[in-house]
Amino acid sequence: GAVVSQHPSRVICKSGTSVKIECRSLDFQATTMFWYRQFPKQSLMLMATSNEGSKATYEQGVEKDKFLINHASLTLSTLTVTSAHPEDSSFYICSARDMSGANVLTFGAGSRLTVL
Amino acid sequence: GENVEQHPSTLSVQEGDSAVIKCTYSDSASNYFPWYKQELGKGPQLIIDIRSNVGEKKDQRIAVTLNKTAKHFSLHITETQPEDSAVYFCAASTQTGANNLFFGTGTRLTVIP
Repeated sequence: GAVVSQHPSRVICKSGTSVKIECRSLDFQATTMFWYRQFPKQSLMLMATSNEGSKATYEQGVEKDKFLINHASLTLSTLTVTSAHPEDSSFYICSARDMSGANVLTFGAGSRLTVL
Repeated sequence: GENVEQHPSTLSVQEGDSAVIKCTYSDSASNYFPWYKQELGKGPQLIIDIRSNVGEKKDQRIAVTLNKTAKHFSLHITETQPEDSAVYFCAASTQTGANNLFFGTGTRLTVIP
């Protein structure tokens, strides 16, 4: 089945620094990937839709300059949290759809960001 | 937009008993309803899904039912096992391919050995 790999799984950084999270589709190509944010004991909230070769589409209330998304290839999307602050600490999850296969969303394992 | 509500938020059952989680949705155009299982510190994993042209789907101990008229769908887990303990999310989408999913608030299921 389709596999989505996310890296790193955990990252701790100092306030003010930037952190990059990678999302890779391992055995399929994904023109579209999705980034979610999940607070403890809460549901997943869609942050943005990452489009290969074009700009990402951000959900209302999500700062595009804060959460930079780059989808440079059909198998890789990156989310960069810029000038991170403690309130950015969260669980970030990506997903992708294998349109050639079962045509369902597959999620990565998530990345836990802790900003000190 | 779509609004998905999920109940209960927590559920404890004895091993071997059944568990039922219910969701309602608001957008009658929604036609794809997946269920995800999320274990601690991991991403959601699809366990079963149903499309609007089907009323019920079963996969071993897991079944999902859909009532389009009432706009609700349910997850049924029979003969629960401790490894079923996790957070379960329902979701709804207006596209079978799920370009965008609207998630329920989650149910924390605990199976007591």
